[in-house]
Amino acid sequence: QVQLVESGGGVVQPGRSLRLSCAASGFTFSSYGMHWVRQAPGKGLEWVAVISYHGTNKYYVDSVKGRFTISRDNSKNTLYLQMNSLRAEDTAVYYCAKDRGLTGYSPDYWGQGALVTVSS
Amino acid sequence: DIQMTQSPSSLSASVGDRVTITCQASQDISNYLNWYQQKPGKAPKLLIDDASNLETGVPSRFSGSGSGTDFTFTISSLQPEDIATYYCQQYDNLPVTFGQGTRLEIK
Repeated sequence: QVQLVESGGGVVQPGRSLRLSCAASGFTFSSYGMHWVRQAPGKGLEWVAVISYHGTNKYYVDSVKGRFTISRDNSKNTLYLQMNSLRAEDTAVYYCAKDRGLTGYSPDYWGQGALVTVSS
Repeated sequence: DIQMTQSPSSLSASVGDRVTITCQASQDISNYLNWYQQKPGKAPKLLIDDASNLETGVPSRFSGSGSGTDFTFTISSLQPEDIATYYCQQYDNLPVTFGQGTRLEIK
């Protein structure tokens, strides 16, 4: 069955960096687009970024453009989110999610999430 | 960006009740709409894609309908395990956007 396990979350000071990882199993990782979606404490879901199956196409929500970078290593079945210049408003649980297709925008399976807290 | 307006924001109903949640898109999204269920402390679970297609293993009491800008999610007979927050999400265009969520409680 599809499994997505995020890691790398923690407490970080404003302006610092953090990298999240998402280890995938139970499906052919290299055949699907992948997403990051976040949820601030007590709030709704906010889509962050998507990467195509081959890693060539990447798209971001405006609030993270220029600060966050999504990437993947298909040889390791792993998705990444490099987060730079972190702000208090980036505090959230970050979920990785598999897309239903190669380059689509429709997440189906989600990991359990990694909590990122940006605080001094 | 496409805005998704979901209503109500919260709902209290009794076991066995029929429950309906609506989602309105700010522009035509055809049928590119998902419905998710999120239980407290858990990841979202996809229940319905393409506005009305029930995911494998999801109970038949859940259903979805609509196209264009107006969509409906229905639980035909509410069960205690359905207590959760439900979100609609459009995937017609980037950025992907979600409704603000509907918190469902048992009366």
